[in-house]
Amino acid sequence: AQSVAQPEDQVNVAEGNPLTVKCTYSVSGNPYLFWYVQYPNRGLQFLLKYITGDNLVKGSYGFEAEFNKSQTSFHLKKPSALVSDSALYFCAVRDRGNAGNMLTFGGGTRLMVKP
Amino acid sequence: DGGITQSPKYLFRKEGQNVTLSCEQNLNHDAMYWYRQDPGQGLRLIYYSQIVNDFQKGDIAEGYSVSREKKESFPLTVTSAQKNPTAFYLCASSIDRTGDTGELFFGEGSRLTVL
Repeated sequence: AQSVAQPEDQVNVAEGNPLTVKCTYSVSGNPYLFWYVQYPNRGLQFLLKYITGDNLVKGSYGFEAEFNKSQTSFHLKKPSALVSDSALYFCAVRDRGNAGNMLTFGGGTRLMVKP
Repeated sequence: DGGITQSPKYLFRKEGQNVTLSCEQNLNHDAMYWYRQDPGQGLRLIYYSQIVNDFQKGDIAEGYSVSREKKESFPLTVTSAQKNPTAFYLCASSIDRTGDTGELFFGEGSRLTVL
C-alpha cells in the first residue's frame, strides 16, 4: 500500500519570506514523487517530480523540493514567496516497482502568502 | 495546443437526473482517469482506463459509470444512484507505458451542483 500525508491544512507566510509545504510518504518500494498546484476552480498543474538522481529537484515558478529517503519526506520549498503563489498544493506518490500503480494524493495544503 | 478539455465547466441538475461530463484529450495518452474533489479533501479516484474498451473502478465508483470507446474520450455519467453528487470533478490522462513515471495531466474541471 502507498500513502501520502500533508500534515498542515494551511501554511501562512509573508511575501518575500521562504516557504515550506510539508509532505511525507509511505511506499513498499522506491517512490516517484510529485507536487501539483491548484488555483481556485481550476485543474491541477504539475510543478515538479522526483524520479531518481539528485535529491534536490527544481520545478516551475521557482519551486523546488528535497527528497529525503531516511525521513520519507518530499517537502516543497521556495526561497521567496509571492502573493501569486497562494493556492492549494498537492503532494502525490507512486510506487516505482508496482507496474500500473495509480498515483495517491495527499489531502492538500492551502498556502496563503500575505503582502 | 495539446491538452485535456472538460465540459461543461459548470452544471446544475435536479435530484434523480443522470448527467454526463465530457473529457477529451489530444495528447495521445493511453490512460485516462476521473477524480472527485470535495472541500477540504484530496482527490479521490472514481474510475480509470488504461486502454480503449477497458476501465476499472477506483475507490469511489458507486453511483458513477464510464465508457472508453475512443482513445481520446472518457465520459463520466453521474447517475441518480450517487447519493451526494455535488462536487468538483477532474479528468486526467497519462502516457502509461512501460517506464512511465505516472505523471498526470489534468483538465480544468467540471463543477456539478445538485439542486
